[in-house]
Amino acid sequence: ELKVEQNPLFLSMQEGKNYTIYCNYSTTSDRLYWYRQDPGKSLESLFVLLSNGAVKQEGRLMASLDTKARLSTLHITAAVHDLSATYFCAVAPFGNEKLTFGTGTRLTIIP
Amino acid sequence: GAGVSQSPSNKVTEKGKDVELRCDPISGHTALYWYRQRLGQGLEFLIYFQGNSAPDKSGLPSDRFSAERTGESVSTLTIQRTQQEDSAVYLCASSFTGAYNEQFFGPGTRLTVL
Repeated sequence: ELKVEQNPLFLSMQEGKNYTIYCNYSTTSDRLYWYRQDPGKSLESLFVLLSNGAVKQEGRLMASLDTKARLSTLHITAAVHDLSATYFCAVAPFGNEKLTFGTGTRLTIIP
Repeated sequence: GAGVSQSPSNKVTEKGKDVELRCDPISGHTALYWYRQRLGQGLEFLIYFQGNSAPDKSGLPSDRFSAERTGESVSTLTIQRTQQEDSAVYLCASSFTGAYNEQFFGPGTRLTVL
């Protein structure tokens, strides 16, 4: 059974600081997704990572994938308040449509 | 439509009643997924449709849960004899065919079973 673990589960950080969220998964996979969820809202797709060594950046967020280590990171640079949300990673096994989600990281940016 | 839509947005029901939740996927998306999100938790996969067929129903928690899809479009998730533990947000997503395709999520239906 595929397991996906995120850490930390909760993260409070000051504006302007940098931090990294980690996503580990238990079986081989050919793709990994990062989503953002604001309170009471649905999920917004942030990144799709399809190959080992893939790196994608959008604004202050950068995601990377190491398939050999079964690890993805979401790095936040110079955090701003509007990045406060819950961030989920999701993984699917090779050729499988079913996504398994991590438990999420609730990020709070403090002014 | 422009995005995935779901109805109703909120549903309050009494224990033992049946409920139907609807999902309208993005036009042209052949794959459709149902997930459940309990309060403060991640998403649990329920069922996946490719066209009108459901090749993966492995996440349905019990035989009280069923889903269908018609016209390669609208899908309905039915929960019979609801229980309090069914209370959750039910999210629908759709994508183009192919395992690499990004899933786009609807706003969800918040189900409360009293």
